[in-house]
Amino acid sequence: DAGVIQSPRHEVTEMGQEVTLRCKPISGHNSLFWYRQTMMRGLELLIYFNNNVPIDDSGMPEDRFSAKMPNASFSTLKIQPSEPRDSAVYFCASSLGRGSYNEQFFGPGTRLTVL
Amino acid sequence: LAKTTQPISMDSYEGQEVNITCSHNNIATNDYITWYQQFPSQGPRFIIQGYKTKVTNEVASLFIPADRKSSTLSLPRVSLSDTAVYYCLVGGGGATNKLIFGTGTLLAVQP
Repeated sequence: DAGVIQSPRHEVTEMGQEVTLRCKPISGHNSLFWYRQTMMRGLELLIYFNNNVPIDDSGMPEDRFSAKMPNASFSTLKIQPSEPRDSAVYFCASSLGRGSYNEQFFGPGTRLTVL
Repeated sequence: LAKTTQPISMDSYEGQEVNITCSHNNIATNDYITWYQQFPSQGPRFIIQGYKTKVTNEVASLFIPADRKSSTLSLPRVSLSDTAVYYCLVGGGGATNKLIFGTGTLLAVQP
């Protein structure tokens, strides 16, 4: 299995631009998580899907952030408009089962830099 | 929500046993305790999970006291390749499925 796939691996953009991060979970997994990691705030859960339905989006920082999961094999995290404080590494993870406590398999992350 | 606290860093030598403790004073009844390992430029990787008492797998042990307000990850006979950041994760139980990652402990293993 290829594991969780994220693209792009690196993204550099200018303030105000739209950014879309993509994730392909492990085949057969039915839960998907988006995290943000920064030096200041550590690892933060942004949103959690189960069977393509958002279960908990309380970690989404503000309306500029949105996430979708149109099918079991694809999810996107969009930031519009982007701001310098959004610079971070964004991880996608997937797991098997409904509970968020199940073992999560993380992707390699997308390093986002907003200038 | 459970808030987790870990030591920022720890040093060890190859072959020693390392114990990393995480404090989670307001853990909820249904919350699980999970530990992850993270190397630079990689996503975290699952190590071990428990609810209470002791859990052991091929790479680590997890000790959880009866009050569940803390947990200790034990790594037997560490090697240089165990140098990484270790996170405890509390949550996942109950209707909200909230997950709170600890601040992480940088373990540096020296020869």
